[in-house]
Amino acid sequence: DTAVSQTPKYLVTQMGNDKSIKCEQNLGHDTMYWYKQDSKKFLKIMFSYNNKELIINETVPNRFSPKSPDKAHLNLHINSLELGDSAVYFCASSQGTGGLQPQHFGDGTRLSIL
Amino acid sequence: SQQGEEDPQALSIQEGENATMNCSYKTSINNLQWYRQNSGRGLVHLILIRSNEREKHSGRLRVTLDTSKKSSSLLITASRAADTASYFCATLSNYQLIWGAGTKLIIKP
Repeated sequence: DTAVSQTPKYLVTQMGNDKSIKCEQNLGHDTMYWYKQDSKKFLKIMFSYNNKELIINETVPNRFSPKSPDKAHLNLHINSLELGDSAVYFCASSQGTGGLQPQHFGDGTRLSIL
Repeated sequence: SQQGEEDPQALSIQEGENATMNCSYKTSINNLQWYRQNSGRGLVHLILIRSNEREKHSGRLRVTLDTSKKSSSLLITASRAADTASYFCATLSNYQLIWGAGTKLIIKP
C-alpha cells in the first residue's frame, strides 16, 4: 500500500500550458507539503498545509496554487508553465507541523517543459 | 536559503566498508534528520536526533550531533550495494525543515 502517492509520475508539456499534480496520503497525517527538487538535488519547501489550512507559503510565483480539498489530499496547479519550472516536485506528509516528526515522501513528479 | 551542507558531495567505497557523511548547519536547531533518496524515488526518513541528544543508533546507522560545532555525522557500517543512494540532512529551524544538497554514496561490489 502506497503511503504517499502522487500523479502523474512524469509530465512533459509545452511552455505556457496549465497543469496539475495530485497527491494523496493514506497515513492519517494532518500536514502535507509540496517540495521542488532542482537538477542539483536541492530540495526547497514550497507550501505546507495543516488540516487544509495553508501554514507555509514560501516565495513561490503566484502561478503555483495549492489546493487541499481534505487533509488527505494536496494538489498543485501551475499556470503558464515556464522553462524554469522543470524540476521534480515531491509531495510529503507528516503528523503535526513544525518538522518535529519525520516526513513521508511520494516518489515525485518529473516535470519537463519543452 | 540552504542551511544544511553535506560533505562530501560524493563518496564511493567498496562493499563492506564503512561510510561517513557529514552535515553542517548555521543556526540553532530543534532537531536534525537524515533521509535517503534512491535514484528516481522519494526521500525516506532514516533517523531523527534531537538537539539535546549526542548520539543515536538505528541498525547499521549511527548519527552524532555536535551542537557546539553545528555539525552532524551519519555513519553506515558494513555497507551494502543497496545503500547506494543520496543522503540528505535536514535541520528544523523556525518550524520548518531546511535541506542540504545531499551526499551521493556509491557502493562498489
